Amino acid sequence: GESVGLHLPTLSVQEGDNSIINCAYSNSASDYFIWYKQESGKGPQFIIDIRSNMDKRQGQRVTVLLNKTVKHLSLQIAATQPGDSAVYFCAALSGGYNKLIFGAGTRLAVHP
Amino acid sequence: DAGVTQSPTHLIKTRGQQVTLRCSPISGHKSVSWYQQVLGQGPQFIFQYYEKEERGRGNFPDRFSARQFPNYSSELNVNALLLGDSALYLCASSLAGGGYGYTFGSGTRLTVV
Repeated sequence: GESVGLHLPTLSVQEGDNSIINCAYSNSASDYFIWYKQESGKGPQFIIDIRSNMDKRQGQRVTVLLNKTVKHLSLQIAATQPGDSAVYFCAALSGGYNKLIFGAGTRLAVHP
Repeated sequence: DAGVTQSPTHLIKTRGQQVTLRCSPISGHKSVSWYQQVLGQGPQFIFQYYEKEERGRGNFPDRFSARQFPNYSSELNVNALLLGDSALYLCASSLAGGGYGYTFGSGTRLTVV
């Protein structure tokens, strides 16, 4: 079946460094991908999205890169701050666009 | 503007019981989706409703059911609870059907003992 997976369950970075969180997906028909941030006790919060006709999209301090050849996407966070500490999920739209397939998540820990 | 609201926030039930979870979407949003998030995992799709009709169903047993009301709020029902149903149940709303423009609520934490 379809799957979305992350390469690392945890990532520790120093405050001010750049963070890179990776994700792989299995369904080459997926054409829309989203990154979510989930803090403890809260629901997933939208960070940035990208469609398959793009390779790169930038937001405020965040960049998503999509490599359709190897079915891989990444989230880059510039100048990581303590408030960025959370679990990050990538998700792919699937099933006739009715559902999101989520990866298992990467926990980002930012140290002062 | 209020976001997606879910109630209750926490719930403890006994095996075999039934539970009803409630979701109010963002004003103007006509689609509601339900996801189950087991501790340490990503959310898994359960249902999607749009304009009061079921538009998608995930790989969950028939013990799980849902409905959407004329005001676009929704209820998720789970019968004959199992210990494995313990999870965070998330509701997401969007303007239209599909996975675009989802906004998630903070979820209902269900514990089955």
